[in-house]
Amino acid sequence: GAVVSQHPSRVICKSGTSVKIECRSLDFQATTMFWYRQFPKQSLMLMATSNEGSKATYEQGVEKDKFLINHASLTLSTLTVTSAHPEDSSFYICSAGPRNQPQHFGDGTRLSIL
Amino acid sequence: KNEVEQSPQNLTAQEGEFITINCSYSVGISALHWLQQHPGGGIVSLFMLSSGKKKHGRLIATINIQEKHSSLHITASHPRDSAVYICAVSTKGNYQLIWGAGTKLIIKP
Repeated sequence: GAVVSQHPSRVICKSGTSVKIECRSLDFQATTMFWYRQFPKQSLMLMATSNEGSKATYEQGVEKDKFLINHASLTLSTLTVTSAHPEDSSFYICSAGPRNQPQHFGDGTRLSIL
Repeated sequence: KNEVEQSPQNLTAQEGEFITINCSYSVGISALHWLQQHPGGGIVSLFMLSSGKKKHGRLIATINIQEKHSSLHITASHPRDSAVYICAVSTKGNYQLIWGAGTKLIIKP
Protein backbone atom coordinates (compact mmCIF):
# COMPACT_ATOMS: atom_id res chain seq x y z
CA GLY A 1 0.00 0.00 0.00
CA ALA A 2 0.93 3.64 -0.34
CA VAL A 3 3.33 4.94 2.25
CA VAL A 4 3.09 8.54 1.09
CA SER A 5 -0.33 10.03 0.53
CA GLN A 6 -0.73 13.16 -1.56
CA HIS A 7 -4.02 15.02 -1.79
CA PRO A 8 -5.77 16.20 -3.86
CA SER A 9 -4.91 14.31 -7.03
CA ARG A 10 -6.42 16.92 -9.30
CA VAL A 11 -7.43 20.53 -8.89
CA ILE A 12 -9.12 22.82 -11.38
CA CYS A 13 -9.71 26.35 -10.21
CA LYS A 14 -9.94 29.95 -11.28
CA SER A 15 -7.03 32.32 -11.55
CA GLY A 16 -6.32 34.07 -8.27
CA THR A 17 -7.30 31.13 -6.09
CA SER A 18 -4.88 29.70 -3.56
CA VAL A 19 -4.48 25.94 -3.63
CA LYS A 20 -3.16 23.73 -0.84
CA ILE A 21 -1.60 20.35 -1.54
CA GLU A 22 -0.94 17.92 1.30
CA CYS A 23 1.75 15.27 1.53
CA ARG A 24 1.52 12.75 4.37
CA SER A 25 3.86 9.96 5.35
CA LEU A 26 1.66 7.14 6.52
CA ASP A 27 3.87 4.77 8.48
CA PHE A 28 7.10 6.60 9.12
CA GLN A 29 8.30 9.93 10.38
CA ALA A 30 9.70 12.25 7.76
CA THR A 31 11.86 15.09 9.00
CA THR A 32 12.45 16.00 5.38
CA MET A 33 10.06 15.95 2.44
CA PHE A 34 10.66 17.15 -1.08
CA TRP A 35 8.39 18.95 -3.49
CA TYR A 36 8.84 18.61 -7.23
CA ARG A 37 7.18 20.17 -10.24
CA GLN A 38 6.89 18.73 -13.70
CA PHE A 39 6.05 20.77 -16.77
CA PRO A 40 4.55 18.91 -19.75
CA LYS A 41 7.06 16.64 -21.45
CA GLN A 42 9.81 17.70 -19.09
CA SER A 43 11.63 16.10 -16.22
CA LEU A 44 10.71 16.60 -12.61
CA MET A 45 12.43 19.58 -11.02
CA LEU A 46 13.06 20.00 -7.32
CA MET A 47 11.22 23.03 -6.01
CA ALA A 48 12.00 22.93 -2.34
CA THR A 49 13.04 20.84 0.60
CA SER A 50 10.54 20.84 3.42
CA ASN A 51 12.08 20.61 6.89
CA GLU A 52 9.98 19.70 9.91
CA GLY A 53 9.91 22.53 12.40
CA SER A 54 11.94 24.96 10.33
CA LYS A 55 11.81 26.96 7.13
CA ALA A 56 11.80 25.21 3.81
CA THR A 57 14.82 25.44 1.54
CA TYR A 58 13.87 26.67 -1.91
CA GLU A 59 15.72 26.01 -5.13
CA GLN A 60 16.98 28.92 -7.17
CA GLY A 61 14.23 30.53 -9.18
CA VAL A 62 11.37 29.25 -7.02
CA GLU A 63 9.40 32.04 -5.38
CA LYS A 64 8.98 31.25 -1.71
CA ASP A 65 6.14 33.75 -1.34
CA LYS A 66 4.34 32.08 -4.22
CA PHE A 67 4.86 28.50 -3.09
CA LEU A 68 4.36 28.38 0.67
CA ILE A 69 5.59 25.25 2.38
CA ASN A 70 4.64 24.25 5.89
CA HIS A 71 6.02 21.15 7.61
CA ALA A 72 4.38 21.39 11.01
CA SER A 73 4.55 17.73 11.96
CA LEU A 74 6.71 14.71 11.24
CA THR A 75 4.08 13.24 8.95
CA LEU A 76 2.65 16.21 7.08
CA SER A 77 3.99 18.80 4.68
CA THR A 78 1.79 21.19 2.74
CA LEU A 79 2.47 23.18 -0.40
CA THR A 80 0.23 26.18 -0.97
CA VAL A 81 0.24 27.82 -4.39
CA THR A 82 -0.88 31.34 -3.57
CA SER A 83 -2.90 33.44 -6.00
CA ALA A 84 -2.45 30.81 -8.68
CA HIS A 85 -2.24 31.82 -12.32
CA PRO A 86 -2.40 29.74 -15.50
CA GLU A 87 1.39 29.54 -15.67
CA ASP A 88 1.29 27.68 -12.33
CA SER A 89 -0.61 24.85 -14.01
CA SER A 90 1.60 21.83 -13.66
CA PHE A 91 2.05 18.45 -12.03
CA TYR A 92 3.28 18.65 -8.46
CA ILE A 93 4.63 15.64 -6.58
CA CYS A 94 6.10 15.11 -3.15
CA SER A 95 8.50 12.52 -1.86
CA ALA A 96 9.56 11.40 1.58
CA GLY A 97 11.48 8.59 3.13
CA PRO A 98 12.78 7.37 6.44
CA ARG A 99 16.36 8.37 7.14
CA ASN A 100 18.78 6.55 4.85
CA GLN A 101 15.93 4.69 3.20
CA PRO A 102 14.48 4.92 -0.32
CA GLN A 103 12.25 7.83 -1.13
CA HIS A 104 8.56 7.12 -1.55
CA PHE A 105 6.43 9.24 -3.80
CA GLY A 106 2.97 10.64 -3.57
CA ASP A 107 0.65 10.07 -6.50
CA GLY A 108 1.01 13.69 -7.54
CA THR A 109 -1.39 16.58 -8.00
CA ARG A 110 -2.34 17.88 -11.40
CA LEU A 111 -3.12 21.56 -11.02
CA SER A 112 -5.02 23.37 -13.74
CA ILE A 113 -5.62 27.10 -13.39
CA LEU A 114 -8.25 28.53 -15.70
CA LYS B 1 25.45 18.68 -19.74
CA ASN B 2 22.80 17.12 -17.54
CA GLU B 3 24.01 15.28 -14.48
CA VAL B 4 21.71 12.36 -15.27
CA GLU B 5 21.36 11.27 -18.87
CA GLN B 6 18.89 8.68 -20.09
CA SER B 7 18.67 6.93 -23.43
CA PRO B 8 16.76 6.43 -25.53
CA GLN B 9 14.34 9.29 -25.12
CA ASN B 10 11.60 7.37 -26.87
CA LEU B 11 11.28 3.66 -27.50
CA THR B 12 8.60 1.75 -29.36
CA ALA B 13 8.72 -2.03 -29.45
CA GLN B 14 6.52 -5.02 -30.13
CA GLU B 15 5.02 -7.11 -27.39
CA GLY B 16 7.44 -9.76 -26.22
CA GLU B 17 10.61 -7.86 -27.04
CA PHE B 18 13.46 -7.44 -24.57
CA ILE B 19 13.74 -3.80 -23.55
CA THR B 20 16.80 -1.93 -22.29
CA ILE B 21 16.84 1.62 -21.00
CA ASN B 22 20.15 3.21 -20.05
CA CYS B 23 21.10 5.81 -17.48
CA SER B 24 24.46 7.54 -17.02
CA TYR B 25 25.30 9.99 -14.30
CA SER B 26 28.21 12.27 -13.54
CA VAL B 27 27.85 12.96 -9.81
CA GLY B 28 28.69 10.98 -6.70
CA ILE B 29 25.64 9.09 -5.60
CA SER B 30 24.36 7.24 -2.58
CA ALA B 31 21.73 5.40 -4.62
CA LEU B 32 20.11 5.23 -8.02
CA HIS B 33 16.37 4.91 -8.50
CA TRP B 34 14.33 3.61 -11.38
CA LEU B 35 10.78 4.87 -11.42
CA GLN B 36 7.74 4.37 -13.60
CA GLN B 37 5.33 7.17 -14.43
CA HIS B 38 2.00 6.34 -16.00
CA PRO B 39 -0.03 8.78 -18.14
CA GLY B 40 -2.00 9.92 -15.10
CA GLY B 41 1.25 11.19 -13.66
CA GLY B 42 1.59 9.00 -10.59
CA ILE B 43 5.07 7.72 -9.95
CA VAL B 44 5.95 4.25 -8.74
CA SER B 45 9.38 3.42 -7.42
CA LEU B 46 10.64 0.28 -9.16
CA PHE B 47 14.16 -0.14 -7.80
CA MET B 48 16.70 1.52 -5.61
CA LEU B 49 20.26 0.40 -6.30
CA SER B 50 23.60 1.16 -4.79
CA SER B 51 25.45 -1.77 -6.36
CA GLY B 52 24.99 -4.91 -8.41
CA LYS B 53 21.70 -6.10 -9.75
CA LYS B 54 18.09 -6.40 -8.65
CA LYS B 55 15.21 -8.34 -10.16
CA HIS B 56 11.50 -8.01 -9.65
CA GLY B 57 9.27 -10.05 -11.87
CA ARG B 58 10.10 -9.19 -15.47
CA LEU B 59 12.13 -6.16 -14.48
CA ILE B 60 15.87 -6.22 -13.95
CA ALA B 61 18.04 -3.29 -12.91
CA THR B 62 21.81 -3.21 -12.91
CA ILE B 63 24.34 -0.63 -11.87
CA ASN B 64 28.06 -0.24 -12.49
CA ILE B 65 29.39 2.23 -9.95
CA GLN B 66 32.83 2.51 -11.58
CA GLU B 67 31.32 3.37 -14.95
CA LYS B 68 28.51 5.45 -13.42
CA HIS B 69 25.96 3.63 -15.51
CA SER B 70 22.74 1.76 -14.88
CA SER B 71 20.36 -0.18 -17.07
CA LEU B 72 16.74 -1.16 -16.69
CA HIS B 73 15.66 -4.26 -18.58
CA ILE B 74 12.17 -5.54 -19.24
CA THR B 75 11.81 -9.12 -20.39
CA ALA B 76 8.80 -10.36 -22.36
CA SER B 77 7.45 -6.82 -22.67
CA HIS B 78 3.72 -6.24 -22.59
CA PRO B 79 1.52 -3.29 -23.60
CA ARG B 80 0.83 -2.59 -19.94
CA ASP B 81 4.54 -1.80 -19.57
CA SER B 82 3.95 1.31 -21.66
CA ALA B 83 4.91 4.25 -19.48
CA VAL B 84 7.66 6.76 -18.89
CA TYR B 85 10.63 5.26 -17.09
CA ILE B 86 12.73 7.67 -15.10
CA CYS B 87 16.19 7.30 -13.68
CA ALA B 88 17.03 9.42 -10.65
CA VAL B 89 20.05 9.56 -8.36
CA SER B 90 20.31 10.43 -4.70
CA THR B 91 23.39 12.54 -4.25
CA LYS B 92 25.80 11.77 -1.46
CA GLY B 93 25.18 13.69 1.74
CA ASN B 94 21.50 14.43 1.28
CA TYR B 95 18.28 12.85 0.11
CA GLN B 96 17.66 15.06 -2.88
CA LEU B 97 17.07 13.42 -6.20
CA ILE B 98 18.47 14.49 -9.54
CA TRP B 99 16.14 13.32 -12.25
CA GLY B 100 16.78 12.06 -15.74
CA ALA B 101 14.52 13.28 -18.51
CA GLY B 102 12.72 9.95 -18.77
CA THR B 103 12.24 7.38 -21.49
CA LYS B 104 8.83 7.07 -23.04
CA LEU B 105 8.20 3.41 -23.76
CA ILE B 106 5.39 2.18 -25.97
CA ILE B 107 4.80 -1.53 -26.33
CA LYS B 108 2.57 -2.43 -29.25
CA PRO B 109 0.42 -5.57 -29.15
